[in-house]
Amino acid sequence: DGGITQSPKYLFRKEGQNVTLSCEQNLNHDAMYWYRQDPGQGLRLIYYSQIVNDFQKGDIAEGYSVSREKKESFPLTVTSAQKNPTAFYLCASRRGGALAGNTIYFGEGSWLTVV
Amino acid sequence: QKEVEQDPGPLSVPEGAIVSLNCTYSNSAFQYFMWYRQYSRKGPELLMYTYSSGNKEDGRFTAQVDKSSKYISLFIRDSQPSDSATYLCATTTDSWGKFQFGAGTQVVVTP
Repeated sequence: DGGITQSPKYLFRKEGQNVTLSCEQNLNHDAMYWYRQDPGQGLRLIYYSQIVNDFQKGDIAEGYSVSREKKESFPLTVTSAQKNPTAFYLCASRRGGALAGNTIYFGEGSWLTVV
Repeated sequence: QKEVEQDPGPLSVPEGAIVSLNCTYSNSAFQYFMWYRQYSRKGPELLMYTYSSGNKEDGRFTAQVDKSSKYISLFIRDSQPSDSATYLCATTTDSWGKFQFGAGTQVVVTP
């Protein structure tokens, strides 16, 4: 089945450690996104990428890094510089072009807890 | 001021009632409008997608967009307990525009 796969579903991190969240899509979508969701705050954009080897900072990029070496993959690294990383992280993707429809599709999310 | 405002709820309705959800937005350049359903600890699932003003119906769901008032709505008819979830509205301007999301409204349908 086509879709967006995020892993791991649950992750615990010790303070001072970097962790990487995986996001893979087999929808042949051009653009990919990472959002953070906190209770009562809705979705906040961390990074997005419209094409391979290119990505842009979103509204809350500090303490995060990404790469886009393949069209299907957009991993997110939560670095030790992120002050409050405990959150629900969502990866999303969208086809490019004006005729493709302006909507995005989400993965199942990854829960990150700092212990 | 947020670009998209949405009442967080919770909104509690009895089974079989009509659920009415709405969002307001500030940017008149928004053209594409979406509603997502999110169950607890899951990713959002696309429910409805509309372009510009008007109505769109899909089964028990109806989405309305009033661009003159900058107001979007989602109606769920014959609500079921399985409709209990958080509903997020979203919008964007064009093919590569950023998406703006409401904070989500929690809906509880009681048997």
